[in-house]
Amino acid sequence: DSGVTQTPKHLITATGQRVTLRCSPRSGDLSVYWYQQSLDQGLQFLIQYYNGEERAKGNILERFSAQQFPDLHSELNLSSLELGDSALYFCASSTSGAPYEQYFGPGTRLTVT
Amino acid sequence: GENVEQHPSTLSVQEGDSAVIKCTYSDSASNYFPWYKQELGKRPQLIIDIRSNVGEKKDQRIAVTLNKTAKHFSLHITETQPEDSAVYFCAASETGNQFYFGTGTSLTVIP
Repeated sequence: DSGVTQTPKHLITATGQRVTLRCSPRSGDLSVYWYQQSLDQGLQFLIQYYNGEERAKGNILERFSAQQFPDLHSELNLSSLELGDSALYFCASSTSGAPYEQYFGPGTRLTVT
Repeated sequence: GENVEQHPSTLSVQEGDSAVIKCTYSDSASNYFPWYKQELGKRPQLIIDIRSNVGEKKDQRIAVTLNKTAKHFSLHITETQPEDSAVYFCAASETGNQFYFGTGTSLTVIP
């Protein structure tokens, strides 16, 4: 167990809908990262937050948004869902600055039908 | 931005043999290189990492080497066991703000 929690574990929804994925980082970690992993694909970096502020942005679609709250948990919002958005979404957390080790949550499996 | 390439995409070895996975990166500013192991349907787990001020790091059967001049780093697993079968990902980062991942290597250890 990495100490990073994600909810829900599984999510099944229809095209056009909107969902929210939630992540709680390890105690003391200020950084939260979101990744998308499609079937048989690598990890695509979406976005990073540090202590409530967006720090880095990757290949995140405009239909997707995220935020980190004062208690440091983070939410990833996916809207106007398409079939291609079906994937495993991971959140990871790390401490501030070096040594940068990321610890991943168990992931949320999103299925868009 | 950074580009990380990983080879091979699949690797099969006999139990007890060694396995080597190689990654190259493009941005000389990258200074942190972790390796993750991901079992089917599970989270990626950090297994070893190396920083640019170190050339090699070992942890029991696992080692990572870094060649900053050539911009490549490798994962070495010795005395492989069936439980080493998984997908392995390399990554590179400069500041810890953004991690660039390789495409993964599916390792199968044949008993």
